[in-house]
Amino acid sequence: EVQLVESGGGLVQPGGSLRLSCSASGFSFSNYAMHWVRQAPGKGLEHLSFVSSDGGTTYYADFVKGRFTISRDNSKNMLYLQMSSLRTEDTAVYYCVNGNNYGSRTFDIWGRGTMVLVSS
Amino acid sequence: QSVLTQPPSASGTPGQRVTISCSGSSSNIGSNTVNWYQQLPGTAPKLLIYSNNQRPSGVPDRFSGSKSGTSASLAIGGLQSEDEADYYCATWDDRLNGPVFGGGTKLTVL
Repeated sequence: EVQLVESGGGLVQPGGSLRLSCSASGFSFSNYAMHWVRQAPGKGLEHLSFVSSDGGTTYYADFVKGRFTISRDNSKNMLYLQMSSLRTEDTAVYYCVNGNNYGSRTFDIWGRGTMVLVSS
Repeated sequence: QSVLTQPPSASGTPGQRVTISCSGSSSNIGSNTVNWYQQLPGTAPKLLIYSNNQRPSGVPDRFSGSKSGTSASLAIGGLQSEDEADYYCATWDDRLNGPVFGGGTKLTVL
């Protein structure tokens, strides 16, 4: 079964850092680009970042550029999101996402998400 | 503000047909295919429509998508109570060189 499982969320103070992890299984992880998408409470979906299959290419939305870093370890089937200089507006559920069956730009595999709460 | 514009809400009664619109520009919908996602309360989004009008296996044919110019639409026919959810359109934006989502439409089945 294709599965993505996020971890690492929690409560962090403004200005703090947090690293999210995503464990992938059931597919050839190293062959696919991977994405992070978030959803603030009661709000819509926001695409944050993606990394190419080999990790050589990354993309960041402007509102996280310079604060968040996406990376992957293909030997461990793991995706990461290092978040720093966190703001209250970064409070959200963070989803690990993959475009598996219909092209890399079509997100057909979603994790359950991990909640990040930025608060003092 | 979202790059793609959707109405914040829509509603219908069981059995009705409902349409949700998604408006963009030449750099996104105008030059790329559109996907639609359904998010049931308390769950992760699910792919509903891809490549403008294609349904993944398991998605009922009551759901259909279309695209014209810089706009796209999701139609739900024979509305059912379990269709009550948030719906999001998404596509690639060539100017931003990344994916973009609509703000989402909350569908209420009356």
